[in-house]
Amino acid sequence: AQSVTQLGSHVSVSEGALVLLRCNYSSSVPPYLFWYVQYPNQGLQLLLKYTSAATLVKGINGFEAEFKKSETSFHLTKPSAHMSDAAEYFCAVSLPRGGYQKVTFGTGTKLQVIP
Amino acid sequence: DAGVIQSPRHEVTEMGQEVTLRCKPISGHNSLFWYRQTMMRGLELLIYFNNNVPIDDSGMPEDRFSAKMPNASFSTLKIQPSEPRDSAVYFCASSLASGGNIQYFGAGTRLSVL
Repeated sequence: AQSVTQLGSHVSVSEGALVLLRCNYSSSVPPYLFWYVQYPNQGLQLLLKYTSAATLVKGINGFEAEFKKSETSFHLTKPSAHMSDAAEYFCAVSLPRGGYQKVTFGTGTKLQVIP
Repeated sequence: DAGVIQSPRHEVTEMGQEVTLRCKPISGHNSLFWYRQTMMRGLELLIYFNNNVPIDDSGMPEDRFSAKMPNASFSTLKIQPSEPRDSAVYFCASSLASGGNIQYFGAGTRLSVL
């Protein structure tokens, strides 16, 4: 079964600083990987997705993530944090095929942006 | 597209009462998921429907919970009788079989059982 581990339940950065949220995955086959964001009192929405094409994936709001098979990692980065980036971020994994589309979510990382 | 629509947004009820949460998936999506989110347990998958058929209900906590999908545009999650430990935010999500497993979430229902 596939799983993801998010390192750090809370991360604080200063406005304008680099954002780095860590995610490691476990899967028996090359998986699909996702980052979702959840703003207060809202549902999760997709930031970006890796599907075995380019290893560097660009998403919305200036975020990107790099798939590193050797490190089984899919860390999320943004060069310069903005106050509006304060939210909870979830890494997720699924098998790369149709049929049962179960997506396994990590425990989430809350990002605080300090002015 | 209106997205996934959940109702009600907030529900406050007393222990022992029946609670029904509703979900309208995105038109054309053929998979539907119910999740529960709490501080202690994070995001938990309760049940997954494909083409209106329950495929995996292994996450349903106990017999007090039941879910139905009578047609492609509507699903319910029912708790009877409700207990204080059921207090959580319940999310519905839908996806398209050819959509690469991307799930689209509703805004959630915040349930408080007193």
